[in-house]
Amino acid sequence: NAGVTQTPKFQVLKTGQSMTLQCAQDMNHEYMSWYRQDPGMGLRLIHYSVGAGITDQGEVPNGYNVSRSTTEDFPLRLLSAAPSQTSVYFCASSYGGSNEKLFFGSGTQLSVL
Amino acid sequence: GENVEQHPSTLSVQEGDSAVIKCTYSDSASNYFPWYKQELGKRPQLIIDIRSNVGEKKDQRIAVTLNKTAKHFSLHITETQPEDSAVYFCAASGTYSTLTFGKGTMLLVSP
Repeated sequence: NAGVTQTPKFQVLKTGQSMTLQCAQDMNHEYMSWYRQDPGMGLRLIHYSVGAGITDQGEVPNGYNVSRSTTEDFPLRLLSAAPSQTSVYFCASSYGGSNEKLFFGSGTQLSVL
Repeated sequence: GENVEQHPSTLSVQEGDSAVIKCTYSDSASNYFPWYKQELGKRPQLIIDIRSNVGEKKDQRIAVTLNKTAKHFSLHITETQPEDSAVYFCAASGTYSTLTFGKGTMLLVSP
């Protein structure tokens, strides 16, 4: 049982480049989400999904796209990277409903130059 | 949407002292309040949580209290140890199992 797996661990992009952060979970969790963590700002919700085919925006969705074609996978796409997207990104999952206990992936440190 | 305020932003204590971190939330519909510990370079890890139908919960040296009327909840760590040094985040539940996090408290426990 690997839990929540994120790749890559580190990434450097140039402004304007696009990329996809991968997230997979093997716990059969319905709920998955993406957070970004910036110094002094805590964890802010980017996008979330309550099940395959269903996604919604969080607090800071601009510049990011998501899709959920399977229960296991929830990739985060940066369409045209900007320096303001330099951050640590965490994917998380839970059973959802009345079981909100959130499990986090190990994070992706992204730098946009 | 939900807003969570967390204080203090930094907290320094001596080993063996107690530490208290406080959070307030804005949405009276929130009913789940977890606390996460994050060590440097690691992922946040759940350490304790509480639901709105409970006023207090304890797990060894860690306890959480909730005052639903005042919309605030607190983390209490007793007999602190150097390995308790980390950043602690409170959170409150929102719609569809989303969590809104506070900005974090850096706890430093000096030997």
